[in-house]
Amino acid sequence: DQQVKQNSPSLSVQEGRISILNCDYTNSMFDYFLWYKKYPAEGPTFLISISSIKDKNEDGRFTVFLNKSAKHLSLHIVPSQPGDSAVYFCAASSVAGYALNFGKGTSLLVTP
Amino acid sequence: GEEVAQTPKHLVRGEGQKAKLYCAPIKGHSYVFWYQQVLKNEFKFLISFQNENVFDETGMPKERFSAKCLPNSPCSLEIQATKLEDSAVYFCASSQSVTGTGYTFGSGTRLTVV
Repeated sequence: DQQVKQNSPSLSVQEGRISILNCDYTNSMFDYFLWYKKYPAEGPTFLISISSIKDKNEDGRFTVFLNKSAKHLSLHIVPSQPGDSAVYFCAASSVAGYALNFGKGTSLLVTP
Repeated sequence: GEEVAQTPKHLVRGEGQKAKLYCAPIKGHSYVFWYQQVLKNEFKFLISFQNENVFDETGMPKERFSAKCLPNSPCSLEIQATKLEDSAVYFCASSQSVTGTGYTFGSGTRLTVV
């Protein structure tokens, strides 16, 4: 039973534009949300996280928005760069540090 | 070191053989996690440790899978009598604490059961 869903398997964006990656979850017990970036043949790399007491967290070009009532979060990348091309995974846990539930990922392609 | 080291990178086993995977967490990290990635895009949590103690094993298949984290040794994940469906990339991650900036993942071990 997939508790974290990323409904867009792929996304293509032009360099310099905004990339918006979406994630929905079903478990209202989730309290801590993370985004990971993954290149082929490498492990996921942590990007940014947000706890349920916040609705926004920003780190450089990356911003995560959380809408608890809609059980929805999104990752904004502005401006997008070709090096951002990778698979992005949304993950959630009921407590920070506990087992993560991952979405199936969105493959982002940033074109020059 | 500052990376989670997983060995071997690739492992091929015949059905029914044993497979053993290793993970050296970042020094000073108390928590270790194992995840299984099947078909490229699905991560499944298997087990976590706090130091050498099992923290959460709700994802571990009851049969054939076991894991350990002993002092002064790499952590290990062992699969007895491998099946074709065990073919996956197994990722290890470590974390300094239960809060903070997320876990650091290793680059994974690709297990192929033939």
